[in-house]
Amino acid sequence: QLQLQESGPGLVKPSETLSLTCTVSGDSISTSEYYWAWVRQPPGKGLAWIGHISFRGNTFYNTSLKSRLTISVDTSKDQFSLNLTSVTAADTAVYYCARLMTRGLYYLDSWGRGALVSVS
Amino acid sequence: SYVLTQPPSVSVAPGKTATITCGGHNIGTKSVHWFQQKPGQAPVLVIFYDSERPSGIPERFSGSNSGNTATLTISRVEAGDEADYHCQVWNSGLDPVVFGGGTKLTVL
Repeated sequence: QLQLQESGPGLVKPSETLSLTCTVSGDSISTSEYYWAWVRQPPGKGLAWIGHISFRGNTFYNTSLKSRLTISVDTSKDQFSLNLTSVTAADTAVYYCARLMTRGLYYLDSWGRGALVSVS
Repeated sequence: SYVLTQPPSVSVAPGKTATITCGGHNIGTKSVHWFQQKPGQAPVLVIFYDSERPSGIPERFSGSNSGNTATLTISRVEAGDEADYHCQVWNSGLDPVVFGGGTKLTVL
């Protein structure tokens, strides 16, 4: 059974860099059937796509975050990571990693439990 | 960018049918996916490709999509169905993964 687990600091200071890693278990990250995505949810608000990456390292970023965002993948560890620079209070959210099915349908079929990151 | 519109809240009595809509321009030409999110938990996929149910999702959950509106229908609503429901589509181009604002389903 596929599992995704976010890890990283729960508190980041303003203007610093938010870094999270998602560890995939139960299946290999090295498959062309899926992308690997980050989604966030500010307190009391809806879901917002951050970006996603293929196992080959092809990245797709939210245009509003693109200048501050880097998503990377480490296939040897079955991990992918998120770096968001110059954070502000507006970046406070629960951050989820998820698997994005491709095959023309593009839905998020498995999610991590989420990691709350506060910027303060 | 593509916009999906959901009602903020829907209320339904136990045993009745809940209908949650997701509006978007020509959404009927896209595949719509639905997620259930209970408080403090991660979203769970309940419908993909407009009307398909993942393994383990009760038959009470169904979906449809036509024109400018996609609909999630929950039959014989139970207290355990109380949650936020989010729709999602893929819109080719910039910012392709699009979510609706979410609908809070309250079971009276």
